Amino acid sequence: SQQGEEDPQALSIQEGENATMNCSYKTSINNLQWYRQNSGRGLVHLILIRSNEREKHSGRLRVTLDTSKKSSSLLITASRAADTASYFCATDAGTSYDKVIFGPGTSLSVIP
Amino acid sequence: NAGVTQTPKFQVLKTGQSMTLQCAQDMNHEYMSWYRQDPGMGLRLIHYSVGAGITDQGEVPNGYNVSRSTTEDFPLRLLSAAPSQTSVYFCASSRYTTSYEQYFGPGTRLTVT
Repeated sequence: SQQGEEDPQALSIQEGENATMNCSYKTSINNLQWYRQNSGRGLVHLILIRSNEREKHSGRLRVTLDTSKKSSSLLITASRAADTASYFCATDAGTSYDKVIFGPGTSLSVIP
Repeated sequence: NAGVTQTPKFQVLKTGQSMTLQCAQDMNHEYMSWYRQDPGMGLRLIHYSVGAGITDQGEVPNGYNVSRSTTEDFPLRLLSAAPSQTSVYFCASSRYTTSYEQYFGPGTRLTVT
């Protein structure tokens, strides 16, 4: 079974609005990562947050982590049409840094 | 740097055939991994390696073999292709001792008929 699950599965917003995606996971983790995938392409790393961190920013991205709820959220502010992509969270298995497991992803459509 | 390269880009196999998907990276990364992605799903980990000579199984290893004889190369071998192995295969690498950020290749689209 997958370690992480994103919510919602699909999200459609207008350009300029904020987009929020959530990720829940099952076991303890060392770190959590978010990746973006444009249609038919490889994944691109966006941001990593460690288990002892609660919030992290990178440009228009804000990631939060709540280890007590085993959940994370990715906020994209002032979205652009170019943000249209699938977004995945990835976690390690907790007992090992080695296995990096991805969730099924959130498909984001930003309408110009 | 070329980053992570994968060959071929597309492949069609008949059931029962075997083949090797190639993956190479020129970033001197210790960690390499193989994932498969099926429509509407995320990536599922097939096998991974934390260094030359060391490999381990991921979530869905059955039907696949890997080897890691050099730091640069991490080929994935399909032993006897089945239609259920129709998928897009991604290879990734990272310098996981200092950063867990994975760099992904462009993918190989495999169809098994």
